Amino acid sequence: SQQGEEDPQALSIQEGENATMNCSYKTSINNLQWYRQNSGRGLVHLILIRSNEREKHSGRLRVTLDTSKKSSSLLITASRAADTASYFCATAGAQKLVFGQGTRLTINP
Amino acid sequence: EAGVAQSPRYKIIEKRQSVAFWCNPISGHATLYWYQQILGQGPKLLIQFQNNGVVDDSQLPKDRFSAERLKGVDSTLKIQPAKLEDSAVYLCASSSVTGTYNEQFFGPGTRLTVL
Repeated sequence: SQQGEEDPQALSIQEGENATMNCSYKTSINNLQWYRQNSGRGLVHLILIRSNEREKHSGRLRVTLDTSKKSSSLLITASRAADTASYFCATAGAQKLVFGQGTRLTINP
Repeated sequence: EAGVAQSPRYKIIEKRQSVAFWCNPISGHATLYWYQQILGQGPKLLIQFQNNGVVDDSQLPKDRFSAERLKGVDSTLKIQPAKLEDSAVYLCASSSVTGTYNEQFFGPGTRLTVL
């Protein structure tokens, strides 16, 4: 299976700190996407990184992709209470997007 | 731009009953997906439509689940009869292109509880 596996399963940090989540997968991919899910806004796409890219930025988000190690990381800088959510990596083959189990991130005030 | 609409938002049924969910994708999006998300897990793809044709239904339990997208716009997902293990959130998503080259836009989901 090409399913991504996130690490850690849960992460709790203080507001203002940086949060890093990792994703590992097993087979070759077309791209890798990160999504956020909270009770207020449902599942929302954050960022997409293609297999020929190594790093991508979007606001306070930084994503890296290492296809040789079949891994990706999501860094959220200067965390805010509103970043409290579950974060999922999703690996994309030709037709199907496969989600991992997610990382539950809690930002403490 | 209106997002993906789903109804109902919540449904409670007894096991062996039937239930149906409705989804209206973003206007112009040809590809529509149904996912099942069990508590504590990531979404799992049940079925993918391209216009009104099925692209992938390999993980759809076809003995009890069915889905259709007759006019290539809105879609319904049905479970008949429901089992306890079907308790989950059912998410509908749409995208403007086939495959996974772009992001998917998700609806708010329908939370199903089977008693």
